[in-house]
Amino acid sequence: DTAVSQTPKYLVTQMGNDKSIKCEQNLGHDTMYWYKQDSKKFLKIMFSYNNKELIINETVPNRFSPKSPDKAHLNLHINSLELGDSAVYFCASSRRGMKETQYFGPGTRLLVL
Amino acid sequence: QKEVEQNSGPLSVPEGAIASLNCTYSDRGSQSFFWYRQYSGKSPELIMSIYSNGDKEDGRFTAQLNKASQYVSLLIRDSQPSDSATYLCAVNVGGSNYKLTFGKGTLLTVNP
Repeated sequence: DTAVSQTPKYLVTQMGNDKSIKCEQNLGHDTMYWYKQDSKKFLKIMFSYNNKELIINETVPNRFSPKSPDKAHLNLHINSLELGDSAVYFCASSRRGMKETQYFGPGTRLLVL
Repeated sequence: QKEVEQNSGPLSVPEGAIASLNCTYSDRGSQSFFWYRQYSGKSPELIMSIYSNGDKEDGRFTAQLNKASQYVSLLIRDSQPSDSATYLCAVNVGGSNYKLTFGKGTLLTVNP
């Protein structure tokens, strides 16, 4: 009965490769997010989707492309991976609203060699 | 640039003491404020939310908000070693997209 799940949990890959991370939530939320947490633990929003519509798109290289096939899923595809992409990527979900809590997935630890 | 500032710590307190964590934010239009706890290697989890000026208490945790000073704090009473974690302050600055901006977190260590 995991609320927000991500796969894979760990991802080790070579520079230049393309990889995807998947996220699913079973909370019935209408909004999903991708965050990047760097080695200094700074958590920064990358993208947000509401009802499959992109509503937040921060300054992120266009090598990163989110896709939301439905309200319960948000995937992140990364092309031409670089060393600086190494980080923990968290998916989160919430209902849309000022006071709504965001619930985070367990994270995907990406290491680019 | 809308910013959320926290002392990175580490903040070290003895078991049973009060831990005080502070956060300031730059956008006066901010409307919702959250404290998340993150254990090493784990994901952030919400421990407190506060929306209006004053104090909000939940068990050993008290959140305090002062919008005039653009300041939000978290007090942890009777600190336990299990409270040792990084505490992230998050601010929702409003607008239709309800984006959360996080501070860089304060590492708290509670010594037995």
